[in-house]
Amino acid sequence: QQQVKQSPQSLIVQKGGIPIINCAYENTAFDYFPWYQQFPGKGPALLIAIRPDVSEKKEGRFTISFNKSAKQFSLHIMDSQPGDSATYFCAAIKAAGNKLTFGGGTRVLVKP
Amino acid sequence: GAGVSQTPSNKVTEKGKYVELRCDPISGHTALYWYRQSLGQGPEFLIYFQGTGAADDSGLPNDRFFAVRPEGSVSTLKIQRTERGDSAVYLCASSSGVEQFFGPGTRLTVL
Repeated sequence: QQQVKQSPQSLIVQKGGIPIINCAYENTAFDYFPWYQQFPGKGPALLIAIRPDVSEKKEGRFTISFNKSAKQFSLHIMDSQPGDSATYFCAAIKAAGNKLTFGGGTRVLVKP
Repeated sequence: GAGVSQTPSNKVTEKGKYVELRCDPISGHTALYWYRQSLGQGPEFLIYFQGTGAADDSGLPNDRFFAVRPEGSVSTLKIQRTERGDSAVYLCASSSGVEQFFGPGTRLTVL
């Protein structure tokens, strides 16, 4: 059972564009929703995270939008740069001391 | 400060052999997690330690997989009688709260 569904699988944008990655979850017990960025040959790096009592969170050029009633959340990369080209994973967790459940990943390519 | 480190970075073995993968968590982090990432997929949970004990091992695929953390710091993931299907990147993460920080992974290839 895939508890976190992520789309699209891949995305190509021009430099300065805004890639948008969407995730949907099923388990309402999830309480914390992080996004990870992964470059080839590296481990996932924590990018930004949100809790369900907040509808939006911004950190630099990265913004998470959260819709609790729809059980959906999304990542926007503002003014994208070629260096943002990576695979992005959404995830969900019930609380500290629990396993992360990951989406399938989105490969983002930002063209110069 | 130092992040999570994993050794070896790459491991090639033959089907049927035994392998050990090591994880050194961030200093002071009491929680340690192992995940497995197959090509083109998200990481999948294997096992979670709180201190020295395995608090949740529900993700271990079968009894060929075992992990230990005897002193509450370094952890070793052990795989017996390796199969080609075990080929993947094995990721370790540690945390002191809800945020989990990942190491670079060990790429295991079973020939």
